[in-house]
Amino acid sequence: NAGVTQTPKFQVLKTGQSMTLQCAQDMNHNSMYWYRQDPGMGLRLIYYSASEGTTDKGEVPNGYNVSRLNKREFSLRLESAAPSQTSVYFCASSVWRGYEQYFGPGTRLTVT
Amino acid sequence: TQLLEQSPQFLSIQEGENLTVYCNSSSVFSSLQWYRQEPGEGPVLLVTVVTGGEVKKLKRLTFQFGDARKDSSLHITAAQPGDTGLYLCAGKDFGNEKLTFGTGTRLTIIP
Repeated sequence: NAGVTQTPKFQVLKTGQSMTLQCAQDMNHNSMYWYRQDPGMGLRLIYYSASEGTTDKGEVPNGYNVSRLNKREFSLRLESAAPSQTSVYFCASSVWRGYEQYFGPGTRLTVT
Repeated sequence: TQLLEQSPQFLSIQEGENLTVYCNSSSVFSSLQWYRQEPGEGPVLLVTVVTGGEVKKLKRLTFQFGDARKDSSLHITAAQPGDTGLYLCAGKDFGNEKLTFGTGTRLTIIP
């Protein structure tokens, strides 16, 4: 049982480049989330999808876009990467919003 | 935006000692979750406390939800190196089901 998977695990981008972070869950969860984690800042919500077909902004959505491709997959896109987006990105899922969240292993992104 | 402050931010103690970490807010939550995150991994849920004043035990870990549902504590008895990690609390709002994470306590247990 894979749980929540994320690709890639590591990525280095130059300022202005774009990329998509992929996330998939096999637990039949309805809600999915993207967080970024920075030292001393805890986990900050970028975007979430309460159910298939819906997406909403979280705390820090600027510079990001998301797609809930189907019930299993939720991707995060950086259209024009900036050094301020250097962070560790986590995808998570839960049965419904507010319930226990299951996290992926994270993507460590560096923007130079 | 509801804020959850965790203290201390860093804690380093010897194996076998006891410790308590705190999660505080000025806002009331419908429930509170505690997660542990090990280096290079995502957070994993330890426990959810739902009722004001509730105490839950998980082996050597004791979690308490404040009577007013604004704060919580995690007490570890006889700490072991395997307890090392980042401990995160997360409060759930009434109504909109929003989950807000605290800033975390980074715990290191020295063998």
